[in-house]
Amino acid sequence: SQKIEQNSEALNIQEGKTATLTCNYTNYSPAYLQWYRQDPGRGPVFLLLIRENEKEKRKERLKVTFDTTLKQSLFHITASQPADSATYLCAPLYSTLTFGKGTMLLVSP
Amino acid sequence: GAGVSQSPRYKVAKRGQDVALRCDPISGHVSLFWYQQALGQGPEFLTYFQNEAQLDKSGLPSDRFFAERPEGSVSTLKIQRTQQEDSAVYLCASSGYRGVEQFFGPGTRLTVL
Repeated sequence: SQKIEQNSEALNIQEGKTATLTCNYTNYSPAYLQWYRQDPGRGPVFLLLIRENEKEKRKERLKVTFDTTLKQSLFHITASQPADSATYLCAPLYSTLTFGKGTMLLVSP
Repeated sequence: GAGVSQSPRYKVAKRGQDVALRCDPISGHVSLFWYQQALGQGPEFLTYFQNEAQLDKSGLPSDRFFAERPEGSVSTLKIQRTQQEDSAVYLCASSGYRGVEQFFGPGTRLTVL
């Protein structure tokens, strides 16, 4: 079965810096990969989707890359703000959407 | 409504009781998903409906778990004879197309004592 690995340690950064979160997967590449944000007590919220044949996708301050050779996706938030503090979930699509455990991001003022 | 709603938001059950969790998806969304999220973990897929048809139930952990969506809109996840290991947040999501941009509800937190 597929394993999705995300940084288990929380990522602490200062406001204004770029946050980079990592998602690694095993075995074969998914057709596409999604990133979600989850705040405490709430359901995940969709952020970005990147397809297997795309290298990079951007949306405002967010950027996602997809490297099928490394079997890795990177999620970047530029000019981070305290409001970006949340858990970020990587979710590649295999037969179903398969979520990683998520990485908690803490942005301090 | 504007988004996916779930009820109840919190449910406490004694071990052995049956529970029913409701999901109201976004109007017009044909796809509906149920996930289980344990503390500190990501959501884990339970089952998927396209309209009223349950196309995938491979994630249901046991035959105590049953889901239905009889009219292709509201869905109910039923857990019979609850066990302590069933304690988790149960998330419902809907989508206009299978797997692409799923819209999640706030979840139901189930605690089995």
